[in-house]
Amino acid sequence: GENVEQHPSTLSVQEGDSAVIKCTYSDSASNYFPWYKQELGKRPQLIIDIRSNVGEKKDQRIAVTLNKTAKHFSLHITETQPEDSAVYFCAARRTGRRALTFGSGTRLQVQP
Amino acid sequence: SQTIHQWPATLVQPVGSPLSLECTVEGTSNPNLYWYRQAAGRGLQLLFYSVGIGQISSEVPQNLSASRPQDRQFILSSKKLLLSDSGFYLCAWSVDTGTPEQYFGPGTRLTVT
Repeated sequence: GENVEQHPSTLSVQEGDSAVIKCTYSDSASNYFPWYKQELGKRPQLIIDIRSNVGEKKDQRIAVTLNKTAKHFSLHITETQPEDSAVYFCAARRTGRRALTFGSGTRLQVQP
Repeated sequence: SQTIHQWPATLVQPVGSPLSLECTVEGTSNPNLYWYRQAAGRGLQLLFYSVGIGQISSEVPQNLSASRPQDRQFILSSKKLLLSDSGFYLCAWSVDTGTPEQYFGPGTRLTVT
């Protein structure tokens, strides 16, 4: 089955710096890659996603890039703010399958 | 717009007791529904998903079961809880394979004592 690895497990940055979280996936038939943000005690919230026919997608301060050949995708957060502090999860979904396979999560801490 | 509800929000149950968690979705028809479990400080483990009434797929063998008695209702059950069943249980929904976005409910925090 699909396996998604996520790095790093924790990331600490200064406010205003950029943060990058990386994921690799194993199933070359995966075609959908969402990112979720989970604040402490809350539900995961979908923040951005990318499909396999696109290499990059941007939404204000966040962007996601996808390299299908290498089977990895990354989340980029620019001009980080303290409210960006949370756990971020990547996920992948295989074509024709409904369920997502999640990475293990990255705890991002933005120091003011 | 679509909304998803879960109850109860928190639950403390003794080992060996039964469990019933409920999830309902409003504002959409024939959603795909999912149950995930998140242990403290850990990732999201898919337990079950359903593409329609009475159709349940199990991802992980365990002492839990799921049922979908109505189109927009998904229930997670156990006959006898284990300590290892403690965690944050999240229900999620999506529309279909053409629109893959998946959205989570507010979750139920279960503590087995």
